[in-house]
Amino acid sequence: GESVGLHLPTLSVQEGDNSIINCAYSNSASDYFIWYKQESGKGPQFIIDIRSNMDKRQGQRVTVLLNKTVKHLSLQIAATQPGDSAVYFCAEALSGYSTLTFGKGTMLLVSP
Amino acid sequence: ETGVTQSPTHLIKTRGQQVTLRCSSQSGHNTVSWYQQALGQGPQFIFQYYREEENGRGNFPPRFSGLQFPNYSSELNVNALELDDSALYLCASSWGTANEKLFFGSGTQLSVL
Repeated sequence: GESVGLHLPTLSVQEGDNSIINCAYSNSASDYFIWYKQESGKGPQFIIDIRSNMDKRQGQRVTVLLNKTVKHLSLQIAATQPGDSAVYFCAEALSGYSTLTFGKGTMLLVSP
Repeated sequence: ETGVTQSPTHLIKTRGQQVTLRCSSQSGHNTVSWYQQALGQGPQFIFQYYREEENGRGNFPPRFSGLQFPNYSSELNVNALELDDSALYLCASSWGTANEKLFFGSGTQLSVL
């Protein structure tokens, strides 16, 4: 039979749309969160991070929202481009410790 | 691109064999972490090396071992390879063990037949 683990959640958008990728994290004690982008054949690339004393942080075309009450993170990408197509992972950590726990990942497909 | 380099990029081994993967950390980074990424999954922490000693380990058996050298480069060794060891092995470097911001290499794709 098929392995559920091989089927990543996928978000398909049109170029120019705004994308929202969601993540539920597991450890209520985690206080540092990162979004990584992973393109095929490459390692994870840092996008944006946020600490638990904030609920929103903005970067260039990206915004991360943190809801500690429900242990939820989201990554918003404005004006999505074909080059944004990749798998996106959220990761959590405890401040002061460089061990990351990654979520399962979401594949973003951007069509021209 | 980060300054973390890994070798080889791809490797094919058979069950029961041993493998060594290598990583050079980004300039100025003294801490190296290794992660295993199975197909369709997020990376899983294997262990971390700091000052040439293991500084934290995930849920991996002792046949996964490592080394760090004085120049901060690192090796990951896996003995008695199993089919389930087939994965992308990622190396990440950082400055210090308290720095959560990791820089990843492109990984070594290991296939065990």
